[in-house]
Amino acid sequence: AQKITQTQPGMFVQEKEAVTLDCTYDTSDQSYGLFWYKQPSSGEMIFLIYQGSYDEQNATEGRYSLNFQKARKSANLVISASQLGDSAMYFCAMREEETGGFKTIFGAGTRLFVKA
Amino acid sequence: NAGVTQTPKFRVLKTGQSMTLLCAQDMNHEYMYWYRQDPGMGLRLIHYSVGEGTTAKGEVPDGYNVSRLKKQNFLLGLESAAPSQTSVYFCASRTGGANYGYTFGSGTRLTVV
Repeated sequence: AQKITQTQPGMFVQEKEAVTLDCTYDTSDQSYGLFWYKQPSSGEMIFLIYQGSYDEQNATEGRYSLNFQKARKSANLVISASQLGDSAMYFCAMREEETGGFKTIFGAGTRLFVKA
Repeated sequence: NAGVTQTPKFRVLKTGQSMTLLCAQDMNHEYMYWYRQDPGMGLRLIHYSVGEGTTAKGEVPDGYNVSRLKKQNFLLGLESAAPSQTSVYFCASRTGGANYGYTFGSGTRLTVV
């Protein structure tokens, strides 16, 4: 069953503007973690940000923030002041403690294009 | 440089051939993983290991075997390659703790003809 849903296959944003990438998840576990990864055209996978299910505040890492709405089961990534180098594929992922915290599952990804 | 190293980076196999992908990490991570990435499907977990000498199946284990004889190495084997195994393979590792993301290798692009 699909547990991570990223409904935007592609997104465009103007340089210096903010953009939100959507992610919804499905779990019956109380304890879980949510992650975002970036994959540039070079192909490597880069860990961006983490949000724990018990964290009351939204996670932030530099220009990245995670808009966590637990009741709606959403974990959207917000990129502020977009840069050309932000053009990449972005993956939302979840790790459930039910499985012993060993496995992370990924969404299908959103491709972000930053326009100059 | 510290991190996760995958070899080879590219490989073309004929149907029925076998090969082994090697993943090595020098961060003393307990957990190691093999994922495959296919267009439009994100990353899918093949096998994983929670420590030296242990392995477990992920979402799509059929046609693959793994071994973790040493903590730093995680091998992925294809005994009889099929065109459906054409994909980009990523190895990843992480330390313990809930808030740690993966460190990924640079990937192996495998084509089975």
